Amino acid sequence: AQSVTQPDIHITVSEGASLELRCNYSYGATPYLFWYVQSPGQGLQLLLKYFSGDTLVQGIKGFEAEFKRSQSSFNLRKPSVHWSDAAEYFCAVGDAGGTSYGKLTFGQGTILTVHP
Amino acid sequence: ETGVTQSPTHLIKTRGQQVTLRCSSQSGHNTVSWYQQALGQGPQFIFQYYREEENGRGNFPPRFSGLQFPNYSSELNVNALELDDSALYLCASSLMDNEYEQYFGPGTRLTVT
Repeated sequence: AQSVTQPDIHITVSEGASLELRCNYSYGATPYLFWYVQSPGQGLQLLLKYFSGDTLVQGIKGFEAEFKRSQSSFNLRKPSVHWSDAAEYFCAVGDAGGTSYGKLTFGQGTILTVHP
Repeated sequence: ETGVTQSPTHLIKTRGQQVTLRCSSQSGHNTVSWYQQALGQGPQFIFQYYREEENGRGNFPPRFSGLQFPNYSSELNVNALELDDSALYLCASSLMDNEYEQYFGPGTRLTVT
C-alpha cells in the first residue's frame, strides 16, 4: 500500500528565509504527487502537482517542488518565505496505477511557523 | 468559477445518532471525493462518487455512505455515530479524467459527544 511520510512535524523559519519541506513516499511505481496547504479553519488548497515529465514543478504562491525518483522524495521549496505562508502543509500521493480510483494518501502534515 | 462549498460548517451530535453532510462541486466538475481529517492528522480517503455511483472506497465501515446527485452535488451520511467520528470532513471535486487533481471545500467540523 502506498504511504507518505513528512518527517518534520513543525518547522520555524524567519520571514525572508528559504524553506524546504520534506516528503517521502512509498509506492511501487511513479505516483501522482501533490502538495496542499491548509490554513486554520480552512480546507486544503492545491499548491502544485506532478504527474510526469519535468521533475521540477512550479506552483502557486512562489512554491516549487522537485521529484527525485531515486530518493522517493517530493520536497517543497520556496526561496523567500512570507509571514502569510504560515500554515500546515500536506504532501499527498495518488495511485497512478489506477487501482484506487481517486484516492489520495496524505502525510501527517508539517506546521510552518514564520517569525517576523 | 464557483468553488467547492460544504454545509453545515459545524455540527454537534450525540453518540448513536445519524448525520448528513452536504457538498456542492466546483463548477464543471463531475466527481466528488470525501475525506475525514482527525485532529492533528492528514485527511483519510472515505470514498469517491462519479455518475451517482461509488467509484472507490477507503478503509471505512459501511455505516459511512454517500450519494451523488445529477447536478454532481453530494451527501455523506454517517449512521450510529461514535466518539471517534469527531473530525473535519472534507469534500473535494474533480473531473473524472483527472480524478486525482482534487479541489477541496472548507470542510464540516463534526463533534460527537
